[in-house]
Amino acid sequence: QVDLVQSGAVVKKPGASVKVSCKASGYTFTDFAVHWVRQAPGQGLEWMGWITPNRGDTDSAQKFQGRLTLTRDTSTNTAYMELSRLRSDDTAIYYCARVVGGSGFFEWFDSWGQGSLVTVSS
Amino acid sequence: DIQMTQSPSSLSASVGDRVTITCRASQSISTYLNWYQQKPGKAPKLLVYAASSLQSGVPSRFSGSGSGTDFTLTISSLQPEDLATYYCQQSNSSPRTFGQGTKVEIK
Repeated sequence: QVDLVQSGAVVKKPGASVKVSCKASGYTFTDFAVHWVRQAPGQGLEWMGWITPNRGDTDSAQKFQGRLTLTRDTSTNTAYMELSRLRSDDTAIYYCARVVGGSGFFEWFDSWGQGSLVTVSS
Repeated sequence: DIQMTQSPSSLSASVGDRVTITCRASQSISTYLNWYQQKPGKAPKLLVYAASSLQSGVPSRFSGSGSGTDFTLTISSLQPEDLATYYCQQSNSSPRTFGQGTKVEIK
Protein backbone atom coordinates (compact mmCIF):
# COMPACT_ATOMS: atom_id res chain seq x y z
CA GLN A 1 0.00 0.00 0.00
CA VAL A 2 1.05 3.57 -0.60
CA ASP A 3 2.75 5.10 2.43
CA LEU A 4 4.35 8.50 3.01
CA VAL A 5 6.35 8.73 6.22
CA GLN A 6 7.56 12.14 7.33
CA SER A 7 10.29 13.24 9.70
CA GLY A 8 9.53 14.16 13.27
CA ALA A 9 8.65 17.35 15.09
CA VAL A 10 11.27 20.06 15.37
CA VAL A 11 11.71 23.39 17.13
CA LYS A 12 13.59 26.15 15.32
CA LYS A 13 14.57 29.70 16.16
CA PRO A 14 13.43 32.64 14.06
CA GLY A 15 15.73 33.14 11.10
CA ALA A 16 16.78 29.49 10.95
CA SER A 17 15.92 26.93 8.26
CA VAL A 18 14.07 23.65 8.51
CA LYS A 19 14.17 20.59 6.26
CA VAL A 20 11.33 18.08 6.38
CA SER A 21 11.58 14.69 4.70
CA CYS A 22 8.86 12.53 3.16
CA LYS A 23 9.79 8.92 2.42
CA ALA A 24 7.55 7.15 -0.07
CA SER A 25 6.88 3.43 -0.34
CA GLY A 26 4.41 1.11 -1.99
CA TYR A 27 4.57 2.67 -5.44
CA THR A 28 7.03 3.88 -8.06
CA PHE A 29 8.28 7.14 -6.58
CA THR A 30 9.18 8.74 -9.90
CA ASP A 31 5.70 8.24 -11.38
CA PHE A 32 3.84 10.80 -9.25
CA ALA A 33 4.43 14.39 -8.18
CA VAL A 34 4.66 15.22 -4.49
CA HIS A 35 2.99 18.33 -3.12
CA TRP A 36 3.51 20.11 0.19
CA VAL A 37 0.67 21.61 2.22
CA ARG A 38 0.85 23.25 5.62
CA GLN A 39 -1.63 23.93 8.40
CA ALA A 40 -1.06 26.54 11.09
CA PRO A 41 -2.55 25.78 14.52
CA GLY A 42 -6.34 25.89 14.35
CA GLN A 43 -6.26 27.06 10.74
CA GLY A 44 -7.02 25.66 7.31
CA LEU A 45 -4.87 24.03 4.65
CA GLU A 46 -2.37 26.09 2.66
CA TRP A 47 -0.75 24.78 -0.51
CA MET A 48 2.99 25.42 -0.76
CA GLY A 49 4.37 23.75 -3.87
CA TRP A 50 5.20 20.55 -5.72
CA ILE A 51 8.06 18.56 -7.16
CA THR A 52 8.14 15.94 -9.89
CA PRO A 53 10.46 13.20 -8.64
CA ASN A 54 11.47 12.00 -12.12
CA ARG A 55 12.76 15.34 -13.46
CA GLY A 56 12.98 17.43 -10.31
CA ASP A 57 10.74 20.15 -11.75
CA THR A 58 9.21 22.37 -9.08
CA ASP A 59 6.58 25.03 -8.63
CA SER A 60 5.60 26.94 -5.53
CA ALA A 61 3.15 29.52 -4.29
CA GLN A 62 4.41 33.04 -4.78
CA LYS A 63 4.38 33.80 -1.05
CA PHE A 64 7.08 31.16 -0.49
CA GLN A 65 9.29 31.91 -3.46
CA GLY A 66 12.81 32.70 -2.35
CA ARG A 67 12.35 30.80 0.93
CA LEU A 68 11.11 27.39 -0.20
CA THR A 69 13.32 24.69 -1.71
CA LEU A 70 11.87 21.38 -2.85
CA THR A 71 14.22 18.53 -3.65
CA ARG A 72 14.12 14.76 -3.94
CA ASP A 73 16.44 11.76 -3.71
CA THR A 74 15.33 9.03 -6.06
CA SER A 75 17.81 6.56 -4.57
CA THR A 76 15.91 6.62 -1.27
CA ASN A 77 12.44 7.55 -2.61
CA THR A 78 12.42 10.64 -0.43
CA ALA A 79 11.13 14.15 -1.07
CA TYR A 80 12.35 17.12 0.95
CA MET A 81 10.89 20.51 1.83
CA GLU A 82 13.26 23.18 3.11
CA LEU A 83 11.96 26.52 4.35
CA SER A 84 14.44 29.25 5.23
CA ARG A 85 14.33 32.51 7.19
CA LEU A 86 11.72 31.07 9.49
CA ARG A 87 9.25 33.34 11.28
CA SER A 88 6.86 32.64 14.10
CA ASP A 89 3.96 32.46 11.65
CA ASP A 90 5.66 29.52 9.93
CA THR A 91 4.71 27.42 12.96
CA ALA A 92 2.54 24.72 11.42
CA ILE A 93 2.10 21.07 10.58
CA TYR A 94 3.70 20.40 7.20
CA TYR A 95 2.24 17.62 5.07
CA CYS A 96 3.50 15.93 1.94
CA ALA A 97 0.93 14.42 -0.40
CA ARG A 98 1.09 12.29 -3.52
CA VAL A 99 -0.87 13.60 -6.47
CA VAL A 100 -2.62 11.37 -8.98
CA GLY A 101 -4.96 12.29 -11.75
CA GLY A 102 -6.34 12.00 -15.19
CA SER A 103 -6.01 14.19 -18.22
CA GLY A 104 -5.64 17.93 -18.23
CA PHE A 105 -5.97 19.60 -14.86
CA PHE A 106 -7.60 16.63 -13.15
CA GLU A 107 -5.36 15.89 -10.18
CA TRP A 108 -5.99 15.11 -6.55
CA PHE A 109 -4.05 14.26 -3.40
CA ASP A 110 -4.81 10.61 -2.79
CA SER A 111 -2.22 9.84 -0.09
CA TRP A 112 -0.85 12.06 2.65
CA GLY A 113 2.02 11.86 5.07
CA GLN A 114 1.26 11.94 8.78
CA GLY A 115 2.48 15.52 9.08
CA SER A 116 5.55 17.13 10.64
CA LEU A 117 5.11 19.81 13.30
CA VAL A 118 7.52 22.70 12.93
CA THR A 119 7.54 25.15 15.81
CA VAL A 120 9.34 28.46 15.38
CA SER A 121 10.11 30.03 18.73
CA SER A 122 12.90 32.00 20.33
CA ASP B 1 -5.22 33.30 -7.56
CA ILE B 2 -8.54 31.45 -7.48
CA GLN B 3 -10.35 31.99 -4.19
CA MET B 4 -12.41 29.12 -2.80
CA THR B 5 -15.20 30.05 -0.40
CA GLN B 6 -17.04 27.43 1.63
CA SER B 7 -20.30 27.77 3.49
CA PRO B 8 -21.21 27.36 6.18
CA SER B 9 -18.00 27.64 8.22
CA SER B 10 -19.49 25.25 10.74
CA LEU B 11 -22.66 23.30 11.28
CA SER B 12 -24.22 21.05 13.86
CA ALA B 13 -26.55 18.26 12.80
CA SER B 14 -28.08 15.11 14.20
CA VAL B 15 -27.22 11.55 13.29
CA GLY B 16 -29.21 10.63 10.21
CA ASP B 17 -29.55 14.18 8.94
CA ARG B 18 -28.75 15.17 5.37
CA VAL B 19 -25.87 17.64 5.35
CA THR B 20 -24.84 19.89 2.46
CA ILE B 21 -21.65 21.92 2.24
CA THR B 22 -21.12 24.38 -0.57
CA CYS B 23 -17.93 25.61 -2.21
CA ARG B 24 -17.76 28.55 -4.59
CA ALA B 25 -14.80 29.38 -6.82
CA SER B 26 -13.93 32.97 -7.73
CA GLN B 27 -13.77 31.94 -11.40
CA SER B 28 -14.84 28.94 -13.42
CA ILE B 29 -12.85 25.79 -12.68
CA SER B 30 -14.88 23.30 -14.75
CA THR B 31 -14.92 20.17 -12.56
CA TYR B 32 -11.36 20.49 -11.26
CA LEU B 33 -12.56 20.31 -7.70
CA ASN B 34 -11.76 17.88 -4.91
CA TRP B 35 -13.10 17.34 -1.40
CA TYR B 36 -11.16 16.22 1.67
CA GLN B 37 -12.14 15.19 5.17
CA GLN B 38 -9.85 15.98 8.10
CA LYS B 39 -10.59 14.40 11.45
CA PRO B 40 -9.11 15.99 14.58
CA GLY B 41 -5.37 15.37 14.85
CA LYS B 42 -5.21 13.51 11.54
CA ALA B 43 -4.01 14.20 8.01
CA PRO B 44 -6.64 15.06 5.39
CA LYS B 45 -8.27 12.21 3.49
CA LEU B 46 -9.56 12.34 -0.07
CA LEU B 47 -13.33 11.90 -0.35
CA VAL B 48 -14.35 13.11 -3.81
CA TYR B 49 -12.29 14.01 -6.86
CA ALA B 50 -13.16 15.69 -10.13
CA ALA B 51 -16.24 17.18 -8.46
CA SER B 52 -18.32 14.02 -8.35
CA SER B 53 -16.17 10.87 -8.35
CA LEU B 54 -16.12 9.02 -5.06
CA GLN B 55 -12.69 7.86 -3.92
CA SER B 56 -12.40 4.10 -3.46
CA GLY B 57 -13.36 3.01 0.03
CA VAL B 58 -15.35 6.13 0.87
CA PRO B 59 -18.89 5.38 2.08
CA SER B 60 -21.61 5.96 -0.48
CA ARG B 61 -23.39 8.43 1.82
CA PHE B 62 -20.86 10.98 0.57
CA SER B 63 -21.44 12.57 -2.83
CA GLY B 64 -20.24 15.58 -4.75
CA SER B 65 -21.75 17.66 -7.52
CA GLY B 66 -21.31 20.89 -9.43
CA SER B 67 -19.29 22.49 -12.17
CA GLY B 68 -18.07 25.92 -13.12
CA THR B 69 -18.06 27.95 -9.92
CA ASP B 70 -20.55 26.21 -7.62
CA PHE B 71 -20.05 22.84 -5.96
CA THR B 72 -21.62 20.83 -3.18
CA LEU B 73 -20.60 17.98 -0.90
CA THR B 74 -23.53 16.05 0.51
CA ILE B 75 -23.64 13.57 3.36
CA SER B 76 -26.95 11.78 2.87
CA SER B 77 -27.22 10.41 6.41
CA LEU B 78 -24.78 11.86 8.94
CA GLN B 79 -22.95 9.35 11.10
CA PRO B 80 -21.02 9.93 14.35
CA GLU B 81 -17.72 9.16 12.61
CA ASP B 82 -18.32 12.04 10.16
CA LEU B 83 -17.25 14.51 12.84
CA ALA B 84 -14.55 16.38 10.94
CA THR B 85 -13.61 19.46 8.98
CA TYR B 86 -14.22 19.31 5.24
CA TYR B 87 -12.19 21.18 2.64
CA CYS B 88 -12.68 21.80 -1.05
CA GLN B 89 -9.61 22.30 -3.27
CA GLN B 90 -9.21 23.40 -6.89
CA SER B 91 -6.68 21.95 -9.32
CA ASN B 92 -7.53 24.24 -12.24
CA SER B 93 -4.49 26.45 -11.80
CA SER B 94 -1.49 27.29 -9.66
CA PRO B 95 -1.47 28.04 -6.83
CA ARG B 96 -3.73 25.19 -5.86
CA THR B 97 -6.10 26.65 -3.29
CA PHE B 98 -8.31 25.25 -0.57
CA GLY B 99 -11.52 26.52 0.89
CA GLN B 100 -11.35 27.70 4.50
CA GLY B 101 -13.04 24.54 5.75
CA THR B 102 -16.42 23.54 7.15
CA LYS B 103 -16.47 22.03 10.62
CA VAL B 104 -19.19 19.43 11.07
CA GLU B 105 -20.33 18.68 14.60
CA ILE B 106 -22.80 16.10 15.82
CA LYS B 107 -25.72 17.29 17.96
